[in-house]
Amino acid sequence: DTAVSQTPKYLVTQMGNDKSIKCEQNLGHDTMYWYKQDSKKFLKIMFSYNNKELIINETVPNRFSPKSPDKAHLNLHINSLELGDSAVYFCASSQVSGGARNEQFFGPGTRLTVL
Amino acid sequence: GQNIDQPTEMTATEGAIVQINCTYQTSGFNGLFWYQQHAGEAPTFLSYNVLDGLEEKGRFSSFLSRSKGYSYLLLKELQMKDSASYLCALWSGYSTLTFGKGTMLLVSP
Repeated sequence: DTAVSQTPKYLVTQMGNDKSIKCEQNLGHDTMYWYKQDSKKFLKIMFSYNNKELIINETVPNRFSPKSPDKAHLNLHINSLELGDSAVYFCASSQVSGGARNEQFFGPGTRLTVL
Repeated sequence: GQNIDQPTEMTATEGAIVQINCTYQTSGFNGLFWYQQHAGEAPTFLSYNVLDGLEEKGRFSSFLSRSKGYSYLLLKELQMKDSASYLCALWSGYSTLTFGKGTMLLVSP
C-alpha cells in the first residue's frame, strides 16, 4: 500500500528515557513533517524536511532531534523524556514545498505516554 | 503570526446540513485547507481553497472569503460516520501549515 507509516503506534516509557519514532513514506514525496497533537487535540508543526534538508524548526526543545537518512524517511529522536512530551506524534509528507498547494498525507500517529 | 478560530463542538442530526465556520487573522497565506480527523486516527484531506468562492466535492463544500478572513465547511446529508473533528488550516508556503484547534462534530440519529 502507498502510504505514510510510523512505528511504533504506542510508546509508553519512563521520564528521563530516550526514545525514537520512525516514519517512512512511499509516496515519492519530497517533503516530510513531524507534528505534535496534545491532549486538547491541537495539531502543531514541529519540523519540516525537504529532500533531507531541515526547512522548518518551530520552537521545540532541543531534546527533540529529527533525522532524515533519505527523502523517504524522517525519524524523531527524543532525549530525556518529560511528562509534557506525552502526546500523539504524527508524521506527514507532501509532494512540494514552497508556494504551491501542499496537500499533506498523515501517518497513523504514535501515542507517546511518559510516566 | 496567525490566529485561527473554530467552534469547539457542534451537534447535528443524521440527514441534516451543517456549516462549520473558521475565522482567521494572518498577514498573508497561499490557501486554506480543511481536514477531517476521526478519533484515534490521522487527519485526512477534505478540501483546499485558494481563491474566494465555493469548492464543491460531493457532500462536502468549502467556502473562502479572503476579504472577510472567513471560511466554512458545509456538510450535506449528514451520516453517522461524519462524526469527527474538522480542522481548518492555513497554508503559508515554505511547508508551513498552521492548524486551528478543530471543531468536534457529533452526528446523532
